[in-house]
Amino acid sequence: AQSVTQLGSHVSVSEGALVLLRCNYSSSVPPYLFWYVQYPNQGLQLLLKYTTGATLVKGINGFEAEFKKSETSFHLTKPSAHMSDAAEYFCAVSDYGGSQGNLIFGKGTKLSVKP
Amino acid sequence: DGGITQSPKYLFRKEGQNVTLSCEQNLNHDAMYWYRQDPGQGLRLIYYSQIVNDFQKGDIAEGYSVSREKKESFPLTVTSAQKNPTAFYLCASSPSDSLSYEQYFGPGTRLTVT
Repeated sequence: AQSVTQLGSHVSVSEGALVLLRCNYSSSVPPYLFWYVQYPNQGLQLLLKYTTGATLVKGINGFEAEFKKSETSFHLTKPSAHMSDAAEYFCAVSDYGGSQGNLIFGKGTKLSVKP
Repeated sequence: DGGITQSPKYLFRKEGQNVTLSCEQNLNHDAMYWYRQDPGQGLRLIYYSQIVNDFQKGDIAEGYSVSREKKESFPLTVTSAQKNPTAFYLCASSPSDSLSYEQYFGPGTRLTVT
């Protein structure tokens, strides 16, 4: 069965610093991977996704993630944090075990940005 | 503008009452989903539907019911059998049941039961 682990429920960075949010997955088949962002009391918005092809995926708001099969990782990065990046971030993997189209979400990482 | 609407944004109910959360989409998506979100728990799947008049239980379906009479609508009823219904509820849709399609989320409904 597929699973997702997000290391660190809270991450704090200074404005202008590198953002690194970690995601490891477990999947017996090539995974489809997603990162979503959630601002307080709002729904989730897709940041980026990996399906096939290039392993470095660029998303919105300057974020990118790299699929590393050997490390079963899909970490999210941004070179320079902005105050508006403060939000909760969710990594997800397509659920092959269940119905197609279902996603399995990690528990989320809350990002704080200090001025 | 295409999107998913959920109403109301905030909902308050007394314990023992059933309550129905609305979810409507005009994206012409086939699949729709309901999730429950609790602090530190991530998103947990309640029910999903891939086609009109058909739906399946997710991981935490007990105490919930759904219907899918129209492609664009997927209401969720939180029944009195749900032991801890206070939570943030998110509805989502996707264009098909293909694994490569992301899900599009509504703004959520925060339900408080006292």
